[in-house]
Amino acid sequence: IAGITQAPTSQILAAGRRMTLRCTQDMRHNAMYWYRQDLGLGLRLIHYSNTAGTTGKGEVPDGYSVSRANTDDFPLTLASAVPSQTSVYFCASSPAGGGTDTQYFGPGTRLTVL
Amino acid sequence: GQNIDQPTEMTATEGAIVQINCTYQTSGFNGLFWYQQHAGEAPTFLSYNVLDGLEEKGRFSSFLSRSKGYSYLLLKELQMKDSASYLCAAQDSNYQLIWGAGTKLIIKP
Repeated sequence: IAGITQAPTSQILAAGRRMTLRCTQDMRHNAMYWYRQDLGLGLRLIHYSNTAGTTGKGEVPDGYSVSRANTDDFPLTLASAVPSQTSVYFCASSPAGGGTDTQYFGPGTRLTVL
Repeated sequence: GQNIDQPTEMTATEGAIVQINCTYQTSGFNGLFWYQQHAGEAPTFLSYNVLDGLEEKGRFSSFLSRSKGYSYLLLKELQMKDSASYLCAAQDSNYQLIWGAGTKLIIKP
């Protein structure tokens, strides 16, 4: 693989179910990010990680959790999905984190919560 | 609060020039990014400005005025493939990106 991969590509989920969105990068980037993108709104940061073993909260963290056990993987978990979490989710990574470096995005996961 | 403003939609003709404006208000400032996003795809990096002035990269140029909190993306010799959304993002004092809602650019033959 080259770059960032996300899985699944799309998912329809019943409210109240638990769901983990997967993100893997092979660029050895230190920093990784999770965004959601909703129509008419800009990308909003959910959680981020500047390096393996550390995570931080973004603008809209409620209802989501993340972990960063290693450099490559950064899964996003919805503990109990609600309809307002219907969105397109993008994972991104950047070489350094905490600096003016460019973020590179995965292809996205389209999630619908009914 | 932090805010990024850019037009919702613009229309231009193939072969012409279009300027997409962006104004920003952030807690601290560490640079301004422009990304391109085709429908149903991921955003891809176009340009980065941290100093005042114009940065040219082929058909695309980006301008920044820090004192005015203003940037623009200039696209020359428009092609049909340039039909996409263009996202403006300012980096705040914590190096987090604050994103605009994007400008949908429609190119007509």
